Amino acid sequence: EPEVTQTPSHQVTQMGQEVILRCVPISNHLYFYWYRQILGQKVEFLVSFYNNEISEKSEIFDDQFSVERPDGSNFTLKIRSTKLEDSAMYFCASSPSAGNQPQHFGDGTRLSIL
Amino acid sequence: GQSLEQPSEVTAVEGAIVQINCTYQTSGFYGLSWYQQHDGGAPTFLSYNALDGLEETGRFSSFLSRSDSYGYLLLQELQMKDSASYFCAVMNYGGSQGNLIFGKGTKLSVKP
Repeated sequence: EPEVTQTPSHQVTQMGQEVILRCVPISNHLYFYWYRQILGQKVEFLVSFYNNEISEKSEIFDDQFSVERPDGSNFTLKIRSTKLEDSAMYFCASSPSAGNQPQHFGDGTRLSIL
Repeated sequence: GQSLEQPSEVTAVEGAIVQINCTYQTSGFYGLSWYQQHDGGAPTFLSYNALDGLEETGRFSSFLSRSDSYGYLLLQELQMKDSASYFCAVMNYGGSQGNLIFGKGTKLSVKP
């Protein structure tokens, strides 16, 4: 069964540095998402992406964050000037369409800011 | 604002039936989803209700009442591997496409 893949599985970065989290969505999916889960807390929506542009973003997704689809397969989340509170699990998800189609999640990237 | 309420923890024994309730208050409601998450793992889709009523998928069923802003996940014939966190999530149409607003999750512990 096709799956969403994320790399790296764990990223350790010094505070103030930039990180890029990578995702390969399921190949025939058109809608892409990033979510964040701080340890022990709920999953929080960050951003959705369709047709090469951001469709929606939450209040968490401020100017520190950006997303890009640099080619036909990758979908990236960039965090500039990381802060301690950015430490979390970051999940990428994709779905074939909006609405009632389930979103399929990758295994996540654990980001640790030191 | 938007909020989802579900119990923080539930404990049950193998073979039993457990119901996890979820009440929600959101704008632009489109449907209610349920996800399972094992410790350290990714959320895995279980079920989705857009209309009132019961949806059954094997041992798992999900119910929605839009008028009551309420739904539940029913797990039957519990197995040890069902020990996990279960999240209800609202499909929200705040803009041009849906995003998921998650509840805080219910940690289910299945005991022998």
